Amino acid sequence: SAVISQKPSRDICQRGTSLTIQCQVDSQVTMMFWYRQQPGQSLTLIATANQGSEATYESGFVIDKFPISRPNLTFSTLTVSNMSPEDSSIYLCSAHPASNEQFFGPGTRLTVL
Amino acid sequence: SQQGEEDPQALSIQEGENATMNCSYKTSINNLQWYRQNSGRGLVHLILIRSNEREKHSGRLRVTLDTSKKSSSLLITASRAADTASYFCATDGGSSNTGKLIFGQGTTLQVKP
Repeated sequence: SAVISQKPSRDICQRGTSLTIQCQVDSQVTMMFWYRQQPGQSLTLIATANQGSEATYESGFVIDKFPISRPNLTFSTLTVSNMSPEDSSIYLCSAHPASNEQFFGPGTRLTVL
Repeated sequence: SQQGEEDPQALSIQEGENATMNCSYKTSINNLQWYRQNSGRGLVHLILIRSNEREKHSGRLRVTLDTSKKSSSLLITASRAADTASYFCATDGGSSNTGKLIFGQGTTLQVKP
C-alpha cells in the first residue's frame, strides 16, 4: 500500500489567484494522478503526473489552467490557476504502486470566492 | 467521462441491517475497485476484484462481479453507524497499464443508530 499526504487540506481563495497543492507519497510509485471532485459529484481524472516529463491531461483539462509538476517518484504538485468560483472542488491525488490497487490522499477542499 | 452507474444513489438503513450497492460499467475491465469516502474527505480503498474473480470478501464486505452483465455489487453486512459514507466503484476501463480510473456516481449510505 501507499500512504499519501496532501497540503493544504483546505483553502479559501479569491478569484483570479492561483493555488498550488502538494502531494507526498511515503514510497516510490510509478504513477501519480490528480482528480477533481466537484460538489456532490464523483471523481474526474484531471491528468497523469509523469516523472521527469510533462503531465498527460484528460479531455477538458489544459496545462495552462492546471500545471503539474512531478520532480521525483514520491512528490507532485497541482496548481489551479486564475481561479474562478467554478473551480471550487475537492482535489485529490492518487498513487498507483506496483499492485493494481490505487490509493488516494485526503484531498484538498478548495473554495473560490 | 463517467462510465459507472451506481444504484441506488442514496440508501438509508438501520444499524445491524445489510446494505447492498450496485455498480454498472460500460467497457471491458481488468479489475474493479470499491472505495469509501467520509464527508467529502479522501477515498479509502476497500477492495479490488479482478475480472476473472466472481466474489471476494474482506471482513464485513462482500463484493461480486458479473462481467457478462458488466456489473458489480458491494454488500456490507451488520452495518454500523460508522459505515455512513459515500461508496464509489472505479474501473480501469480495460486499460491495465495506464493506471487511470473511471468512477461511478456513487451511493450515499446512511446508517441510523
